[in-house]
Order: sequence, then structure tokens, then C-alpha cells
Amino acid sequence: DAGVIQSPRHEVTEMGQEVTLRCKPISGHNSLFWYRQTMMRGLELLIYFNNNVPIDDSGMPEDRFSAKMPNASFSTLKIQPSEPRDSAVYFCASSFNKGSYGYTFGSGTRLTVV
Amino acid sequence: AQSVTQLGSHVSVSEGALVLLRCNYSSSVPPYLFWYVQYPNQGLQLLLKYTTGATLVKGINGFEAEFKKSETSFHLTKPSAHMSDAAEYFCALAGGTSYGKLTFGQGTILTVHP
Repeated sequence: DAGVIQSPRHEVTEMGQEVTLRCKPISGHNSLFWYRQTMMRGLELLIYFNNNVPIDDSGMPEDRFSAKMPNASFSTLKIQPSEPRDSAVYFCASSFNKGSYGYTFGSGTRLTVV
Repeated sequence: AQSVTQLGSHVSVSEGALVLLRCNYSSSVPPYLFWYVQYPNQGLQLLLKYTTGATLVKGINGFEAEFKKSETSFHLTKPSAHMSDAAEYFCALAGGTSYGKLTFGQGTILTVHP
């Protein structure tokens, strides 16, 4: 298995532009998580899905952020419009059976908004 | 609500010395507990996990951790530090919900001196 695949690895965009981050979870995993990591706040859970259904989006900072999981093998995190304070590393993770086998993280997307 | 507290944001040891990274948790249900390691500019790698069974769990790179329910702790240890162990370490907890939400501690940066 190739693990959790995130794209792009790096994204530099101008303030006000739309940004879309992508994630392909491990085949067979039924939960998917989006995290944001910054120096100031550490690792924050933004949203997570179970069986493609959003379960808890209370960590999504603002309405500018949205996430979808149209099928079991793909999820997107969109920021529109982007702002400099959104600059961070965004991680996607997936798991099976409520995490009893662990959680596998992707390599992350480093987003810079200028 | 579940939470994780890592005692000490920075720990410094000499090469060959014992490594002890502290983690305490709060959970209303039996937890799943994890330790992850993050090297600079990389993603999170699972070191070890406790779900059920033996309370002393062994992980990769010579690390181990012991689940102590009475102390609500899951401290990470390694008998002899190596320079390559320098990284940031995260304790994480899953439990309390039906869908395996993973909550992280603040992280501990381990520095290893020659």
C-alpha cells in the first residue's frame, strides 16, 4: 500500500485565491481526518469523516474552510478566500475500526499564503 | 471530553542517556494511546500504540511505553538515546466517541547532545 497520499506537497498562493488540498486515504480505511499544524497552535483537528460522512467539523476555523469526501478514496480541503494566517502544514490521516490499528498520516501539504 | 498533556515542551539528554517523555491523559472511556515522532519537515510516524492487552508496549527504534491506568499516564522511554532520536514527539489519545477521534498533546522536542 502506498500509504496516505496528499497533494500538492507545497503550495504557494496569493491572498484571496482559492486553495484546494487533496487526500487519498489507505484503501479499506473508513475514517479520514484533516489536521493543521502551526508553531503557535500545534496539531489541530479540523474535521473528520467516518464512512464518507462528516462527523465533527467543529475545528474548522471559519466558513472560508470547507471539506468534502465524495467517496471512500478521496477527500478535499478547500480554503476560499485564502489569507496569510492560513499558512501552515495540513495533514490528512486515515484509520480503520475506530483507530484500534493506529492512524496513518500523509506527508502533509505545506501551504504558504502571501 | 478527552485530553492529553505532555509534561515538558523541551527535553534534552546526552547520547547514551535514558530518554523519558511524559504523557498524561484524561478520558471517560478506556483509551487507545499512541506515540508519534516527527522529524523536521516530515510527517508523523507511529512509534507505538496501546489499545488492549499488555500494558507495556514496545515500538520502533527501541522505544517503549507503559500504560498505567491508575496514574492516567503513558510515558515514553528509551534506555539509551541516539543522536538520530532528536525529533518532536507527540502523545495522542483516541476514545470517548464512536468514530475514533484522535487528540494530540502539545508535543515534546527531544534534543540529544553528543
